[in-house]
Amino acid sequence: NAGVTQTPKFQVLKTGQSMTLQCAQDMNHNSMYWYRQDPGMGLRLIYYSASEGTTDKGEVPNGYNVSRLNKREFSLRLESAAPSQTSVYFCASSEAGRTQYFGPGTRLLVL
Amino acid sequence: DAKTTQPPSMDCAEGRAANLPCNHSTISGNEYVYWYRQIHSQGPQYIIHGLKNNETNEMASLIITEDRKSSTLILPHATLRDTAVYYCIVRGENTDKLIFGTGTRLQVFP
Repeated sequence: NAGVTQTPKFQVLKTGQSMTLQCAQDMNHNSMYWYRQDPGMGLRLIYYSASEGTTDKGEVPNGYNVSRLNKREFSLRLESAAPSQTSVYFCASSEAGRTQYFGPGTRLLVL
Repeated sequence: DAKTTQPPSMDCAEGRAANLPCNHSTISGNEYVYWYRQIHSQGPQYIIHGLKNNETNEMASLIITEDRKSSTLILPHATLRDTAVYYCIVRGENTDKLIFGTGTRLQVFP
C-alpha cells in the first residue's frame, strides 16, 4: 500500500515549456487535490476533483489544467511554464469529508 | 471557513510535552479542527482532528476549549523527529477544502 505517489520528484523547465505532473493513489479515494507550496508559505489549493470525471478550481488555478484520468490518477499540466510557477507541488486524496493524505511532492524549477 | 492564528515558532526540550496553541475565534458549529505537520518539506502528515470533544491518538492529544474558539495540540513526549511545521486548520463539515496558514515551526532541542 503505497498511499499517494507523485512523479517526477524533481523537474527543471525553461520558460514556455510544458509538462505534466502525475499523481496516483491506491486507497480507493473519490477525492483528489493539487496544491502548491511556495517558500515559507502554507499550501494553496490549485484544483480538486470530488469524483472521477469532475474537476473544480481551487484558490490559484491560473496557468494550470487538470485531468482526472480515472479513480486512481489525477494529473496537473502546465501548458506554458513561467518562473512564477516555481514551487513544490503536492497531490492529496481523501474520501469525501474525511482526512486528506498527501504525496511526497514534486519540486519544480522554471528558469 | 474560519481563519486560524498560530504563533510562528516555538521551542521544546526533548522528552518534554509540546503544547501548540491555535486560535479560531470565528469557528462555526459544524467546523472541525484539524492538525497536520510538515517535516522538512515532505508532504503534510495528518495528526488529529476534533469537533467538540477532546481527542487522543497514538501521535497526540487535541484539547478544544468549551467555547471552541481555541485549541491546543499536545505532543506528550517530544522527540527530535517531531521538529516540523504544525498547521492548525478549520474545515467545514460540507467541504473537502483545507486552507493552510503559515503554521507554527516547532524546534525540539536535545
